Formats: sequence, structure tokens, C-alpha cells
Amino acid sequence: DTAVSQTPKYLVTQMGNDKSIKCEQNLGHDTMYWYKQDSKKFLKIMFSYNNKELIINETVPNRFSPKSPDKAHLNLHINSLELGDSAVYFCASSPGDTQYFGPGTRLTVL
Amino acid sequence: QKEVEQDPGPLSVPEGAIVSLNCTYSNSAFQYFMWYRQYSRKGPELLMYTYSSGNKEDGRFTAQVDKSSKYISLFIRDSQPSDSATYLCAMRHAGGTSYGKLTFGQGTILTVHP
Repeated sequence: DTAVSQTPKYLVTQMGNDKSIKCEQNLGHDTMYWYKQDSKKFLKIMFSYNNKELIINETVPNRFSPKSPDKAHLNLHINSLELGDSAVYFCASSPGDTQYFGPGTRLTVL
Repeated sequence: QKEVEQDPGPLSVPEGAIVSLNCTYSNSAFQYFMWYRQYSRKGPELLMYTYSSGNKEDGRFTAQVDKSSKYISLFIRDSQPSDSATYLCAMRHAGGTSYGKLTFGQGTILTVHP
């Protein structure tokens, strides 16, 4: 059983499109995160939700909108995709101290 | 200046070598320290977690924290080809509005050759 899962694994799309990435965790954790990893492997936090409430928003453009329908799910919707959005997006969940990452979604914007 | 600086490598060592990976940080509010391993095209996997100065050992891995020098290390003994991956240090504050936010180093690519 996968603890933190993401769909899709790969996403290739044109500039200007809108796309969503889904994340689910079956660990029973209250807190979930979205991270962006650039081409140099640098991981940077984007958002954090605790029990469906936004607690961290790291100056991400408002084209990115996270949504948490319940504490096991945290989805990421991206409007008007730009070339610079190409990256690997990781979802993570936490019981309070450490964080457990999903397998990543590789987004390529053409 | 970045909050967390990690020796970028890449590092290439023969099988059986002792590997030392290092990070320095500037923010004394960081209280919890982690090392993650990331294989190519996979998510980061937690290797070690510590919150006090000193050493923590787990099998072939030893995490070392020196809060007075703002310096952390990960040592890998008897390195194996399967240890070839990118290693990321990460750290976080104890609480407040930044609770839970991990700040990562740039990662060190390690290759262990047979």
C-alpha cells in the first residue's frame, strides 16, 4: 500500500492551459504539503494544510490554488500554465515532526 | 545568503569508502534536522531525524549535529552502490508560524562505484 500517492505521475501540457495534480495519503496524518523541485533538484515548500486549513503559503503566484476536501487529500490546481512552472511537484504528509513524500508529478509545459 | 548551504558535490567514491555529507545553516531557529535520500525519479525518503546536538546512529548511517557551529553531517560507512542517490539535508523551526516548514539544502549527488 502506497502511503502518499500522487496522480498523474507525468503531465505534459501547453502554455496557458489549466491542470490539476491530486495527492492522497493513507497514514492518518493531519498535515499535508506541496513542494516544487526545480531542475537543479532544489526543493522548496509551496503550501501546507493542517486538517483542511491552509497554514503556510510561501508567496506562490495565485495561479496556484491548493484544495483540501478532507485531511487525507490535498490537490493542486494550476491556472494559465507558464514555461517556468515546469518542475517536479511533490506532495508530503506529516504526523507533526518528520515528513513523508509522494513519488512526484513531473510537469512539463511546452 | 541561503538559509541552508549544502556541499553540492557531486561525490564519487569506491565501494566500501566512508562518505561524509555536510550542511551549514544560518538561522539559529532551526531545531530539527533531517537527512533525506532521493533516488533518480523518486520522492525523497527520510533517512535520519534528530533534534539535539551530538551523534545519532542507525546501521551504516550516522547523523551529527553541532548547533553551536550550525553544522550538520551525515556519515555513511561501508558505502554500497545502492547508496548512489542525491542526499538532501533539511531542517525546521520548533514552532510558530513556520511550524512544519522544511528548508532544504541543494542536495549532494553521490555515486558509489563497485
